[in-house]
Amino acid sequence: GQNIDQPTEMTATEGAIVQINCTYQTSGFNGLFWYQQHAGEAPTFLSYNVLDGLEEKGRFSSFLSRSKGYSYLLLKELQMKDSASYLCAVRDGDYKLSFGAGTTVTVRA
Amino acid sequence: IAGITQAPTSQILAAGRRMTLRCTQDMRHNAMYWYRQDLGLGLRLIHYSNTAGTTGKGEVPDGYSVSRANTDDFPLTLASAVPSQTSVYFCASSEGEGQGDTQYFGPGTRLTVL
Repeated sequence: GQNIDQPTEMTATEGAIVQINCTYQTSGFNGLFWYQQHAGEAPTFLSYNVLDGLEEKGRFSSFLSRSKGYSYLLLKELQMKDSASYLCAVRDGDYKLSFGAGTTVTVRA
Repeated sequence: IAGITQAPTSQILAAGRRMTLRCTQDMRHNAMYWYRQDLGLGLRLIHYSNTAGTTGKGEVPDGYSVSRANTDDFPLTLASAVPSQTSVYFCASSEGEGQGDTQYFGPGTRLTVL
């Protein structure tokens, strides 16, 4: 099966930066996605990486290293509304998405 | 544009009963998926459909069935519900199943089997 690991919880202060790491071991690789999920809601798409390097989208950036099986999501200038679960998902060789268990980020005032 | 709708929003079901969760999308997406989300386990794929008329099994298909008679609808049926099927169920769709195709999720159905 696929193995995707990310920390369970992280806490940070409003205005700060938080980095959520994701490591993966999958059968084939066809891209890595990050989703945001607020409590009781559906996951919503944040970012997609298929090549090595950094993708920046406003306050959020995502990095990928395929050789290391590693990605991170960087959240800058944290706001209270960023308190949510962040899901790392890898598209495998069969083009199916496998998800990590998610990282719950709590932003404190 | 509504995107993806799911019904019901929540349901309490007696064990042994049959239940169909409904999913409809209006984006004309070819691919659709059913996931279950359990605490500490993340989203797990139950069944998928790459195009109307075809379906496939995901990671946890046992006890579930699906059909894809047309592009828009992808119902999930529990033939005889068991307590271990208590979960939050999400339907998702994507334009295709290619490398960069993003999956978009419906609001979910919270199912409790007693």
